[in-house]
Amino acid sequence: GQQLNQSPQSMFIQEGEDVSMNCTSSSIFNTWLWYKQDPGEGPVLLIALYKAGELTSNGRLTAQFGITRKDSFLNISASIPSDVGIYFCAGRDSNYQLIWGAGTKLIIKP
Amino acid sequence: DVKVTQSSRYLVKRTGEKVFLECVQDMDHENMFWYRQDPGLGLRLIYFSYDVKMKEKGDIPEGYSVSREKKERFSLILESASTNQTSMYLCASRGTGSSYEQYFGPGTRLTVT
Repeated sequence: GQQLNQSPQSMFIQEGEDVSMNCTSSSIFNTWLWYKQDPGEGPVLLIALYKAGELTSNGRLTAQFGITRKDSFLNISASIPSDVGIYFCAGRDSNYQLIWGAGTKLIIKP
Repeated sequence: DVKVTQSSRYLVKRTGEKVFLECVQDMDHENMFWYRQDPGLGLRLIYFSYDVKMKEKGDIPEGYSVSREKKERFSLILESASTNQTSMYLCASRGTGSSYEQYFGPGTRLTVT
């Protein structure tokens, strides 16, 4: 089936640093979603993107729908301890199914 | 407030047992999903349902079945649990419309010994 490549797989960062992660696909997607999963909980939607080139912010988070429709980026500015967790991207394909990335695990160095 | 609940947070079962995982949503959503989550593999779709009594196989349906007798409830069944089914199981629901957001339950961590 279709696959999304999400990178990096994990990140160790200092509090206050900016974070970037991305997802790429060999197929075109019509929607990109970014989720965050806190430890022991289910994923929660952070940002939804519906148009190529769209740039959307949610507080310190900014996500972009790539112009080729085959990629998306999530940036977190000035990270804080509660940013730890797993971030997932998901793309909607032409069959209206969501394809999920493997996740980026964010760890903040003490 | 949107709510998806799962019957258990943690479950320990023996190999060969029949296991039921229950999911209930209170948003009157048509679509419901079961995923399993394993480290490094992300979320993999087991089954989904787009209406009562309707079900569709996802990417990894082998060893699982589902039941949707009522709109708000979607059950995942492991007919004969095996150790390779030890995992985190996540249920999600989604309404119809242009938003493709799925709402997730807290997950059930199943251990098969």
